[in-house]
Amino acid sequence: KNQVEQSPQSLIILEGKNCTLQCNYTVSPFSNLRWYKQDTGRGPVSLTIMTFSENTKSNGRYTATLDADTKQSSLHITASQLSDSASYICVVSGNDYKLSFGAGTTVTVRA
Amino acid sequence: ETGVTQTPRHLVMGMTNKKSLKCEQHLGHNAMYWYKQSAKKPLELMFVYSLEERVENNSVPSRFSPECPNSSHLFLHLHTLQPEDSALYLCASSQVDGQNSPLHFGNGTRLTVT
Repeated sequence: KNQVEQSPQSLIILEGKNCTLQCNYTVSPFSNLRWYKQDTGRGPVSLTIMTFSENTKSNGRYTATLDADTKQSSLHITASQLSDSASYICVVSGNDYKLSFGAGTTVTVRA
Repeated sequence: ETGVTQTPRHLVMGMTNKKSLKCEQHLGHNAMYWYKQSAKKPLELMFVYSLEERVENNSVPSRFSPECPNSSHLFLHLHTLQPEDSALYLCASSQVDGQNSPLHFGNGTRLTVT
């Protein structure tokens, strides 16, 4: 069973609206959690990284949260733009440097 | 330009062919990786090279053979592949002396095995 579960698998939103993506993990011990954005036909690009002591981190219109107690993270996209259409991947690192990847959430922003 | 360049971008090969994927990083990193990305599945780690030595081989079939001649270049040699090997193959690099160092990915090679 995968140690990183993302939901929803896909979603469609209208331009200008907000959305929130979820990531639940069972990786233990925990070191850090990253969110990546992958545009179609491109490789993933790092958006944010959070360690155990960080609850929230922003990168422009992207805000990630982390609850290390419940092993949950979210990625909130504010005022979505057409360029936000992509797959968003949650990646969790344990203390052994190994990375566990979620399957991603595909976001489609429509005008 | 991502700093990690992969060639070719697309490759179609028959099951009896031999081909190679190439990856080059211009970021001065000391670790390089091969990942396989299939539709709707998490990325699968295939190989890791740290300081030019292979440190991870994730039970990958021998029809995939990696080569890392120096810290900037990584190859994946392919032979007698199966149709289920069709996928996006991503190369990445990172600096391993900082655990919070992110992976920097190339744009991948889309491989189709016929």
